[in-house]
Amino acid sequence: SQQGEEDPQALSIQEGENATMNCSYKTSINNLQWYRQNSGRGLVHLILIRSNEREKHSGRLRVTLDTSKKSSSLLITASRAADTASYFCATRVHSARQLTFGSGTQLTVLP
Amino acid sequence: NAGVTQTPKFQVLKTGQSMTLQCAQDMNHEYMSWYRQDPGMGLRLIHYSVGAGITDQGEVPNGYNVSRSTTEDFPLRLLSAAPSQTSVYFCASSQGQGVNDEKLFFGSGTQLSVL
Repeated sequence: SQQGEEDPQALSIQEGENATMNCSYKTSINNLQWYRQNSGRGLVHLILIRSNEREKHSGRLRVTLDTSKKSSSLLITASRAADTASYFCATRVHSARQLTFGSGTQLTVLP
Repeated sequence: NAGVTQTPKFQVLKTGQSMTLQCAQDMNHEYMSWYRQDPGMGLRLIHYSVGAGITDQGEVPNGYNVSRSTTEDFPLRLLSAAPSQTSVYFCASSQGQGVNDEKLFFGSGTQLSVL
């Protein structure tokens, strides 16, 4: 079974709007990472948040982590058409040598 | 640096055929891994390696073999292809041993169809 599950599965917004996607996971983690995948390409790392952190920013990206609820959210502000992609959360369980990925959120930003 | 390079980009096999998916990285990364991506399933780990000569199984290892003779290369072998192995395959690497705060660098993928 998958450790991380993204919600919603698909999201369509207008350019300039904010996009929020969520990730829930099942077991205690070391860190949680967000990746972006453009159509037909490999995944690209966006941001990492550790289990003892609550919020991180990187440019137009804001990630929050609530370990009590076992959930994270990714906010993309002032979205652009180029942000159209699939977004995946990935969790690393303590001492595990692997990242476990969710099934992703497909974001479409309409011009 | 080229990063993580996968070949081929596309491949069609018949059931029962064998083939090797190639993966090479030029970042001197210790950790390398293979994932498969299926619609609605996200990425699932097939095998991984924490260094030359060391490999281990991931979530879905059946039907696949790996070896790691050098730091740079981590080929994935399908011994007898089955239609259930139709998928997109990604190779990924990271700097350390695959723990802590390491992030993965991905190749561009191999789209495999088994008829």
